[in-house]
Amino acid sequence: EAEVAQSPRYKITEKSQAVAFWCDPISGHATLYWYRQILGQGPELLVQFQDESVVDDSQLPKDRFSAERLKGVDSTLKIQPAELGDSAMYLCASSPKTSGDTGELFFGEGSRLTVL
Amino acid sequence: SQQGEEDPQALSIQEGENATMNCSYKTSINNLQWYRQNSGRGLVHLILIRSNEREKHSGRLRVTLDTSKKSSSLLITASRAADTASYFCATRDTGRRALTFGSGTRLQVQP
Repeated sequence: EAEVAQSPRYKITEKSQAVAFWCDPISGHATLYWYRQILGQGPELLVQFQDESVVDDSQLPKDRFSAERLKGVDSTLKIQPAELGDSAMYLCASSPKTSGDTGELFFGEGSRLTVL
Repeated sequence: SQQGEEDPQALSIQEGENATMNCSYKTSINNLQWYRQNSGRGLVHLILIRSNEREKHSGRLRVTLDTSKKSSSLLITASRAADTASYFCATRDTGRRALTFGSGTRLQVQP
């Protein structure tokens, strides 16, 4: 069964360091999402891509976060510099372009970030 | 920001009992979805109900939607220990493409 791949699964870093997360969506899925989930809360959207274009990055803290999906396939989310408050699970999800308004998202297992 | 608020925040029941979780949201929606998340893992889609539907079933799951009250409920019948997880409602707002998630209900099913 096709899956959304994410790496690394766990990352521990010190504040002010740079960190990057990678996501490979299900083959053929045109829409890719990055969500952040703080422990005990629901996921919150950071950025949405349609193919290689950013559709919504209104909640992305652009002073320190960046995201790209250069060839419209895999994606990288970067944080520089990391702050203590960035400790969270970073979830990648994808959906097929033809989903219409169904909107079912397929999630990866997430990348757990701890900033010390 | 989170669209939905879920109630209760935590629920503990015995195996075989039914579990009911509620979700309230704020804006007009196209559909409402429920997801499950095991501890430390990604989310898995459970069921979707469209704004023009009032009730939907899938196996042991029953979802209701009341758009006039902007609320939904998820019922899990004959619960099992393996149902222990967090459950989130998510809405696709009209005019927006991404899903907005609620705060979740943590369900513990005691064997």
